[in-house]
Formats: sequence, C-alpha cells, structure tokens
Amino acid sequence: GQNIDQPTEMTATEGAIVQINCTYQTSGFNGLFWYQQHAGEAPTFLSYNVLDGLEEKGRFSSFLSRSKGYSYLLLKELQMKDSASYLCAVLPITGANNLFFGTGTRLTVIP
Amino acid sequence: KAGVTQTPRYLIKTRGQQVTLSCSPISGHRSVSWYQQTPGQGLQFLFEYFSETQRNKGNFPGRFSGRQFSNSRSEMNVSTLELGDSALYLCASSLPSGANVLTFGAGSRLTVL
Repeated sequence: GQNIDQPTEMTATEGAIVQINCTYQTSGFNGLFWYQQHAGEAPTFLSYNVLDGLEEKGRFSSFLSRSKGYSYLLLKELQMKDSASYLCAVLPITGANNLFFGTGTRLTVIP
Repeated sequence: KAGVTQTPRYLIKTRGQQVTLSCSPISGHRSVSWYQQTPGQGLQFLFEYFSETQRNKGNFPGRFSGRQFSNSRSEMNVSTLELGDSALYLCASSLPSGANVLTFGAGSRLTVL
C-alpha cells in the first residue's frame, strides 16, 4: 500500500521562503508530483521528480530523496497568491495515471 | 486549447438516488482519470480509462462505475447514493503513457441529503 504524510497547515510571511515537506511509504514508486490547489479550484501541476535531487522552476523548487522516501517543495519570495493547498502525490510503479495523493498542506501567506 | 470540462458543476441528490457525472478531456488526451476529494481524505483515485477500457481502479465499492466513449469523453456513475458520497469529483486527462501530467477539471460538487 501507500501512505503519504505532509503537514496540515502552514503560515508564512509575504516575501519569505517556505518549505513544505512530504514523506511517503509505497510498495512501488514511479515518481512524485506536487500540485497546487486554490480554494474552489482545480489542482494544477507544479513539479515532477523521479530522480534524486533538486528541480528548480522559477520561484518553486522540488527535492526528492528516494532512499529516504522524502520530498519537499520550496517556495521563494512568497506572494499572497501563493496561499493555497499544496498536494504531494506518488505515482505507483504499477500504474499509469493513478496518482496517490496526500491530504495536502494548506499554506496561508500573511502580509 | 480548451481545458477539461466537467458537468454538472453542482448537484444535490438524496440518499438512494443515482448520479451521472460527465467529463470532456483536453483534445488529444486519451486517458481520463477520476478522483474523489473530501476534506478528511484528500484526493482518492477512483478509476482510469484509456481507449474505452478501464485501465486502473481504486479501492471504491462497486456502486462507483465509469465508462469512456470513442471520443475520449468519460462518465462516472454512482448508484444508491450514501451521505458519505458527498464530495468534489474531479476528472483529469493526460497523454496515455508513462508519468504524464494530469490536467484537472474544475470538478462536480455532489451533495447527498
């Protein structure tokens, strides 16, 4: 089976840096995704990691350690619009598009 | 290009009824996945269809079913509705193979009274 743990809520200040952690246990692994979901909206893709290391994309970066079952999403220069839920999801090795999601981290950015 | 379209956006049903939700994927996307989102459980995978065939299935009872048509549009059906079926049902489409990015629709919010 699969299990994903991420903090339920986080608060950070505009302009700051925040790191959202995700730990996972899975019987198979074919990559880890991060999605952003604003309240009342559809989740949107942020990043995908399948190899160990850091992937940087603008203000957002994502890190993966497969040996530790650990990932984090790093958001720099926080903006008010970054207030959203951030969903960590694992792609089991047996599946094609059957992502297993964590319950998400609700980030609130304050002035 | 147009995104993933889900209809209806909101609906209210009573226990014991059934409901059918529709999803039109992005043009060219042949894989359609369905997810249930609730505050306590997050997003849970229901099933995935590709070329009119169910390719993967999550851990939901048989009351949840789906199908895909030749134009890749998909429907899901929930029969004998229960209060616990109240949720946001999200459809996502993607290219059919490998670890592809899911593009989600805005969802259908079902309330069961």
